[in-house]
Amino acid sequence: KQEVTQIPAALSVPEGENLVLNCSFTDSAIYNLQWFRQDPGKGLTSLLLIQSSQREQTSGRLNASLDKSSGRSTLYIAASQPGDSATYLCAVHSQAGTALIFGKGTTLSVSS
Amino acid sequence: ETGVTQSPTHLIKTRGQQVTLRCSSQSGHNTVSWYQQALGQGPQFIFQYYREEENGRGNFPPRFSGLQFPNYSSELNVNALELDDSALYLCASSPGGYEQFFGPGTRLTVL
Repeated sequence: KQEVTQIPAALSVPEGENLVLNCSFTDSAIYNLQWFRQDPGKGLTSLLLIQSSQREQTSGRLNASLDKSSGRSTLYIAASQPGDSATYLCAVHSQAGTALIFGKGTTLSVSS
Repeated sequence: ETGVTQSPTHLIKTRGQQVTLRCSSQSGHNTVSWYQQALGQGPQFIFQYYREEENGRGNFPPRFSGLQFPNYSSELNVNALELDDSALYLCASSPGGYEQFFGPGTRLTVL
């Protein structure tokens, strides 16, 4: 059974810092991995999708990496801003077309 | 292009009642998935519909049921509501099972 873990559960940083959020999964036979952002009480916004054959994806200040063999992904946020404050969720597709399996998320707070 | 929409935004029901939540998928997306997110937890998969047929189901009892319509919109029905059904219900659509795009969710409170 696939399980996804995110560490840390919460993180507080001052504005301008670079930071890394971690995601680990127990079954390396994944189809893809997706990172989401969730603002309090809101839906999920897709940030980055990494196919199993890829090593990383970049969008603006965000960079996500994938190491299937070790069952890990990281989300790197450069030059953090207060507007980055949110919960970041990692999810894996174990097989195309079926459920996303989510971690519990990392709640990020960026202070000005 | 319109994204995924859900209605209603908020809903309050009492234990034992029935509820129907609605989702309109993004244009061109033939797959809809439903998730339940309890406070402080990650979303949990309820079920998925592909071209009007159930295509997978998570660990939820039969009182959670769904439909997908020819225009690919979808409904989630929950019978005999329990207090633990209080959660944010999320709908996601995808163009055939790849990247999933989520709606804003419906907040259900069961009293």
